[in-house]
Parts: sequence; C-alpha cells; structure tokens
Amino acid sequence: NAGVTQTPKFQVLKTGQSMTLQCAQDMNHNSMYWYRQDPGMGLRLIYYSASEGTTDKGEVPNGYNVSRLNKREFSLRLESAAPSQTSVYFCASSEAAGGIYEQYFGPGTRLTVT
Amino acid sequence: TQLLKQSPQFLSIQEGENLTVYCNSSSVFSSLQWYRQEPGEGPVLLVTVVTGGEVKKLKRLTFQFGDARKDSSLHITAAQPGDTGLYLCAGGGQWDTGRRALTFGSGTRLQVQP
Repeated sequence: NAGVTQTPKFQVLKTGQSMTLQCAQDMNHNSMYWYRQDPGMGLRLIYYSASEGTTDKGEVPNGYNVSRLNKREFSLRLESAAPSQTSVYFCASSEAAGGIYEQYFGPGTRLTVT
Repeated sequence: TQLLKQSPQFLSIQEGENLTVYCNSSSVFSSLQWYRQEPGEGPVLLVTVVTGGEVKKLKRLTFQFGDARKDSSLHITAAQPGDTGLYLCAGGGQWDTGRRALTFGSGTRLQVQP
C-alpha cells in the first residue's frame, strides 16, 4: 500500500499562475484534508472533505478551491497564485473510529510563488 | 488564532537527557494526538489519548492527557538522536463546535545532540 501520495513534490509558480495539487489515498478512508505548513505556524487546515461528495472550509480557505473527485482523490487548486501562498502543502486522510480522526499524511508539495 | 499552544518552541539537548513538551488549550477536546515530523516528510502519528487523565507509554515516550481534556504532555526519557524532529500535538473534535477536523499546535522542534 502506498498510503497517501501527492504530486508534484516541488513546484515554482509565477504570481498569477494557476495549478492543481493532486492527492490520492489507497486506505479506503472517507475523510481527506488539505493543510499548509509555514515556519512557526504548525499545520493550518485549508479545506477538508468528510466524505465523498462533501467539502468544507477550514481555517485558511481564501485563494484555494478543492474537488473531491472520488473516494480516493482530493485535489487542491490555486486559481491565481500569490507569494503569500508559498508554503509546504500536505494532504491527509482519516477514518473516524469512535469519533477519533487519526490522520495519515502524504510527503508534501513544496510550492514557491515568485 | 492558535487554539493549541506548544512549549517550548525549540529544544536542544544532549543524548541521554530527559525532556517534557507541553500542549495547552482553553478548549476541551474529545481526543488529543501527538505526531512527529522529520525534515522533508509528512507528520506521522505517535499516539492518541481520549480519556481525561489517561497515560500512554510508547517505549521511552510517555504521553498524558489532562484531567479536563484541555492539555497534554509528552515526556521522553533518555533522548536519542533518532528522537530529533518536530513534535506536533493535535486536538480532535472540539465539543463546542462539533468540528470534525483536527486543530494542530505550532510544534516543538527537538534536536538531540550525540
């Protein structure tokens, strides 16, 4: 099992360009998440999908859109990249067991916007 | 607004020393998780605690959930260089919002010198 995979691993964009970050999980989890990680800020939730067909905003959704394509895949789109979106992006998945959401993370995408 | 505050932010110790990392909040959580993240990788779950006052041991690591479910601590005995990494606490399912996603602390960066 690959767990959670993310593509690409690295990306450099110019301000105003768009791109989609891809995430897939093979653990048959219902819930998937997108986080960004900045120095000293921990992980901040951008969007999550509690189950196929639903998405909800997290703490920092502005400038992003998501698509839960099917149970396995959850993509994050930057329509018009800004330097403030330079960060490391992590996708995660989880299955609620008794209300507990233990999360499994992908290796991350390092995005630089110039 | 960081709902989970971790302290200290940075810790550099010698191999063999003991240390404690704290995770504090004014909110009540249904569960508290600890993750470790190594450079260039995603966080990996270490433990989940769910009952107020619960203590869990994982080899040289001891995790405790506060009686009021608002705080947690991680104690490492006889630290080793392999313990080096970023330690993140994460609170699940805040009772006052019913949110079905984790809230992460800002992390404690631990460096264990040989």
